[in-house]
Amino acid sequence: GAVVSQHPSWVICKSGTSVKIECRSLDFQATTMFWYRQFPKQSLMLMATSNEGSKATYEQGVEKDKFLINHASLTLSTLTVTSAHPEDSSFYICSARDFRGQPQHFGDGTRLSIL
Amino acid sequence: AQSVTQLDSHVSVSEGTPVLLRCNYSSSYSPSLFWYVQHPNKGLQLLLKYTSAATLVKGINGFEAEFKKSETSFHLTKPSAHMSDAAEYFCVVSDATGGFKTIFGAGTRLFVKA
Repeated sequence: GAVVSQHPSWVICKSGTSVKIECRSLDFQATTMFWYRQFPKQSLMLMATSNEGSKATYEQGVEKDKFLINHASLTLSTLTVTSAHPEDSSFYICSARDFRGQPQHFGDGTRLSIL
Repeated sequence: AQSVTQLDSHVSVSEGTPVLLRCNYSSSYSPSLFWYVQHPNKGLQLLLKYTSAATLVKGINGFEAEFKKSETSFHLTKPSAHMSDAAEYFCVVSDATGGFKTIFGAGTRLFVKA
């Protein structure tokens, strides 16, 4: 079945640093990738949608300059949390789908902890 | 606008007994509906999907769901719970509005007692 790999799975860093999270589709071409944020014991909140070769579309309330998304190829999207602060600590999950549109395939998530 | 409501924040069953996780949806167009499972600190795994074919959908691990348009429901069931089924379950709706943007329910935590 379709596989999405997300890396790293866990990252701890100091406040003020930038963190990059990678999302790769391993066996299909991901025309669209999504980035979600999940707070403890809550559902997933869509942050942004990215189509290969285009600028990401951010959901209302998500800071574009804080969460930089790049989708330069059909198999890779990256989320960079810039100048991270403790309030950015969360579980970030990516998903990807191909041109047929359904369903999305999810990565295993990245636990980000900012000290 | 599309939306999805999971009627129970948590469900507790005994091992070997049936599981019912309830989901109601709202959609302006013919929706696609999904159930995903999430184990602690993990991503989401697709259990099953409905995309306008058969209304009774069979998924992995013995789960199935029935699409009932008249009731706008897509409840998830399993005849006999296993300890490994304990996890968080999300009902998800997607339709053609906004480029198949997916909307997640709040989730239902399933507890399975020995």
